[in-house]
Amino acid sequence: GEDVEQSLFLSVREGDSSVINCTYTDSSSTYLYWYKQEPGAGLQLLTYIFSNMDMKQDQRLTVLLNKKDKHLSLRIADTQTGDSAIYFCAESSPGGYNKLIFGAGTRLAVHP
Amino acid sequence: EAEVAQSPRYKITEKSQAVAFWCDPISGHATLYWYRQILGQGPELLVQFQDESVVDDSQLPKDRFSAERLKGVDSTLKIQPAELGDSAMYLCASSWNTGELFFGEGSRLTVL
Repeated sequence: GEDVEQSLFLSVREGDSSVINCTYTDSSSTYLYWYKQEPGAGLQLLTYIFSNMDMKQDQRLTVLLNKKDKHLSLRIADTQTGDSAIYFCAESSPGGYNKLIFGAGTRLAVHP
Repeated sequence: EAEVAQSPRYKITEKSQAVAFWCDPISGHATLYWYRQILGQGPELLVQFQDESVVDDSQLPKDRFSAERLKGVDSTLKIQPAELGDSAMYLCASSWNTGELFFGEGSRLTVL
């Protein structure tokens, strides 16, 4: 079945890089996504990667995809206090209607 | 910038009462999703519409939950009767066809 797993918590110092990891089970997923959720708010799409890519860079964000191991990571360079939030990994479920399966989220805490 | 609108933002109700949530997706988005997010967990899909048709309601507790999107635009999610375990954030999202889901701010339900 479909399942997305993430570590629950990450603490980093301001200015350091953050790496959030995710594993997924459905090898036929077309897209993999990273969403950000700030307290009390909805989810905001940060970035996504197509399954035939192994890396995507977007300003401070770098996504790495290892299809063989079904492992996805999000690297945030020069992490700032404003990056403190919950980060969700999601995979698209095949079947034609773009259903997203989310992980439980990784809470990122950035401290001075 | 176009947004997904949801109301109410907060709802407190007693168990066995009826509650309803409303969502207005981004104009032109054919696909509308209702997700439930229990505190500390990732969003879980309850129901997905393509225009006015339900394409996935496999996780919707149909004995008490109902959803409609009569004209293929806005949507209502209803719970009757509400139970304590229904306390959660109810998130609405919409998408066109690229796989990017745009989320609303959510409706937080507390059942006493």
